[in-house]
Amino acid sequence: DVKVTQSSRYLVKRTGEKVFLECVQDMDHENMFWYRQDPGLGLRLIYFSYDVKMKEKGDIPEGYSVSREKKERFSLILESASTNQTSMYLCASSRPGQGDYGYTFGSGTRLTVV
Amino acid sequence: QKEVEQNSGPLSVPEGAIASLNCTYSDRVSQSFFWYRQYSGKSPELIMSIYSNGDKEDGRFTAQLNKASQYVSLLIRDSQPSDSATYLCAVNIGSNYKLTFGKGTLLTVNP
Repeated sequence: DVKVTQSSRYLVKRTGEKVFLECVQDMDHENMFWYRQDPGLGLRLIYFSYDVKMKEKGDIPEGYSVSREKKERFSLILESASTNQTSMYLCASSRPGQGDYGYTFGSGTRLTVV
Repeated sequence: QKEVEQNSGPLSVPEGAIASLNCTYSDRVSQSFFWYRQYSGKSPELIMSIYSNGDKEDGRFTAQLNKASQYVSLLIRDSQPSDSATYLCAVNIGSNYKLTFGKGTLLTVNP
């Protein structure tokens, strides 16, 4: 069974901490994505990557960075966590090109910044 | 602003009825359309994809696409309480691989 695995289901961090959210997929997918999901705001794209060491900003990249050193792993970094980054973070992956490239999502990380 | 719009609901239907979920999108060149189901506290799960005008059926689910009207819908026949969830419409807008999501429609199926 194909999987996207996020390292933590729940995380509590203090304001100002540097936070790492890890995502690993075993489907050999080129594309990987980080979203946050908030009530009333839906899914908002933070960053995505279409190849190793490649990254592009999404709609809300401020306060975040990413790293993709290996094809299977895509990390989201909160440089200095703030309370407005409390959210559900979802990682997803997909195959590029035409055809069925719907995303497969990880189980999510619910981050609370106190 | 390129967008995907859905009625937020809640949409409430009795068990056994047909639930109809609708989605409109702003980009005429969009080619790929998806429906995701998301249970409370869980991550989205892909249930349907559609690429051509017309209907696509999979079990109790039917996706309908009308590119001229920029409209995609999901019909759930013989709705069950286990179908109660938020349904997200996703469309590729301005990208070959990046999806834009609607905010979702909350569906409640009453026993």
